[in-house]
This record gives sequence, structure tokens and C-alpha cells, in this order.
Amino acid sequence: GESVGLHLPTLSVQEGDNSIINCAYSNSASDYFIWYKQESGKGPQFIIDIRSNMDKRQGQRVTVLLNKTVKHLSLQIAATQPGDSAVYFCAEGNKLTFGGGTRVLVKP
Amino acid sequence: NAGVTQTPKFRILKIGQSMTLQCTQDMNHNYMYWYRQDPGMGLKLIYYSVGAGITDKGEVPNGYNVSRSTTEDFPLRLELAAPSQTSVYFCASSLGTGPKATQHFGDGTRLSIL
Repeated sequence: GESVGLHLPTLSVQEGDNSIINCAYSNSASDYFIWYKQESGKGPQFIIDIRSNMDKRQGQRVTVLLNKTVKHLSLQIAATQPGDSAVYFCAEGNKLTFGGGTRVLVKP
Repeated sequence: NAGVTQTPKFRILKIGQSMTLQCTQDMNHNYMYWYRQDPGMGLKLIYYSVGAGITDKGEVPNGYNVSRSTTEDFPLRLELAAPSQTSVYFCASSLGTGPKATQHFGDGTRLSIL
């Protein structure tokens, strides 16, 4: 959910483990969701999206799960690598603002 | 296809000075956005535009102005720079909202006001 005015929460993960990043959304009518990855010193980049008529969508090492009942999204990263260290944002297609984001730190 | 291009990449301003941050996109996107990101924080929407000639305020518009005279360009202007405006500024564009909402971001402008 929103964390306006607060520093980003951090998820520390051992290299090779799976990461799970969570996101709550507010609008039950939202029909499209996007995950972005922001590496240090760069702008956010698209990772994966999901439409509301799906519960799950898989990409390369990433899976997004959508639970419309509780208005919750999660991004799962399999076999986390050092290059996955970044800030991850979720976004609703009908909103112009972003959620607060989660920083992922991968420990060697 | 350059995507979204922001200039300058870095700038130091004195308090009270003014400047314009440039943003241009070559994807023919209707929607464009300006965000600021303070260290260790998330993105805050400053202004956005749904097409040429149309702009609207976001979450934190005070101290900024925008214009959208063409589809490609969406400059952000600081009239009287203040230390609180020290931040990284990102411009983004998208085709629209809903299924067209995926935003493409520039590399940012790092602005320090001293």
C-alpha cells in the first residue's frame, strides 16, 4: 500500500533464494496492474503486467499473482540474483500514482 | 527509437533561480508525466498531461509549472528554486490508462538547490 513520506521498506534476500514482494491496491474496479523495477541511478522499467481476468502470470524468473478478493498483488522472483537488487513498484492501470515501492537487497 | 529523453542529467541551482527541465518522447504517446523522487523514497506525481494542450496537477504541484504544446515535449519549469526541490526528477510517457498504462521512463534529472 501507500507509504507516502516514509522510507521504502527493505527485503533482504540470500542469493539463490526466492523473493516475494507484496502490494495492496485500493480500487476494486482496477483491471490492469504493472510491476516496475528501478535500478540504482536509473528510471523505473517495466517487468511484467497482469489483467484482472487472470490470477497468475509468469515471465522469465518472475511470477505475478493477483488476489482480487483481498485486493493484493505479489511479485515472486525465483533464484534471486545480485542483478535483482533494486526497488520494485506496483502500479494500477487506472491510477496515475505509484505505490510506495519495496527495496530488494540480495546478499551474496 | 530513443524512448523518453530528459535533459540535463545533472544541474546545480542557487536558491531563487529558475530553470526548465526538458522531456521529449518519440513514441507518439498521449500521456506524459513528471515525478520527483527524494533519496530512499518512492515516486511522487507532480503534473501530468493526457494530450497536447492539456495538463493537470498531480500530488505535489506547488512550485512547478508545465506546458504541453506538442505531443512529443513536456517541459517542467521551476520558477523560484527552493532547497526542498532538491530531488531526482523523472519524466515518463504512456499510450493511455488501463491496459495502455505501461509507463516508459527517462533516465532522470538530478537537481540540487543550494
